[in-house]
Amino acid sequence: QSVLSQPPSVSAAPGQRVTISCSGSSSNIGNNYVSWYQQLPGTAPKLLIYDNNKRPSGIPDRFSGSKSGTSATLGITGLQTGDEADYYCGAWDTSLSAWVFGGGTKVTVL
Amino acid sequence: EVQLLESGGGLVQPGGSLRLSCAASGFTFSSYAMSWVRQAPGKGLEWVSAISISGGSTYFADSAKGRFTISRDNSKNTLYLQMNSLRAEDTAVYYCAKFKDTAIVHYFDYWGQGTLVTVSS
Repeated sequence: QSVLSQPPSVSAAPGQRVTISCSGSSSNIGNNYVSWYQQLPGTAPKLLIYDNNKRPSGIPDRFSGSKSGTSATLGITGLQTGDEADYYCGAWDTSLSAWVFGGGTKVTVL
Repeated sequence: EVQLLESGGGLVQPGGSLRLSCAASGFTFSSYAMSWVRQAPGKGLEWVSAISISGGSTYFADSAKGRFTISRDNSKNTLYLQMNSLRAEDTAVYYCAKFKDTAIVHYFDYWGQGTLVTVSS
């Protein structure tokens, strides 16, 4: 059971929009930055969003992040087949003195 | 270009030991906190351990406490994970990950390709 909760899967047609929720608590998301990682099949995770809503260089603006209270959301617009991957949220947990991740969400493009 | 190259994985019997290494290049290794994150087959990411820039502060997941040791050699630009008393549930791909700066509360900006550890008799 992951400390951060994500839906196991989401799906949509090409060009559509999907959102992935990440629910935590005051000891992690509520008081620390959230980051998101994309893991394409058979590859290592890659930073997608940092500090709740910032994109690293090279990440298209189709990807967005937001945070409200103890929850965060990753949005993907203009869905492409290349976006099929597992997506993980992560944050430092102050109470646990540990990094925590969500269980991951598999995005499927129909 | 930042590169993180893990090595040392393999097959080990339950109760055995293994030392993983992560050779870093393309950045000033001694200026960044580092971490290990693992992923069991077909499962999600699980943070294992982190270390400060000097090595003086280390952090462990409950699953690793008392069995794993993290260390770094800044002169060799290398991160290590010594794993003892290995269990079947430690079977996973182990990723080396770089923090964005000196603080372990921040995000992982680069990840290695991983090394597979299999614990089985």
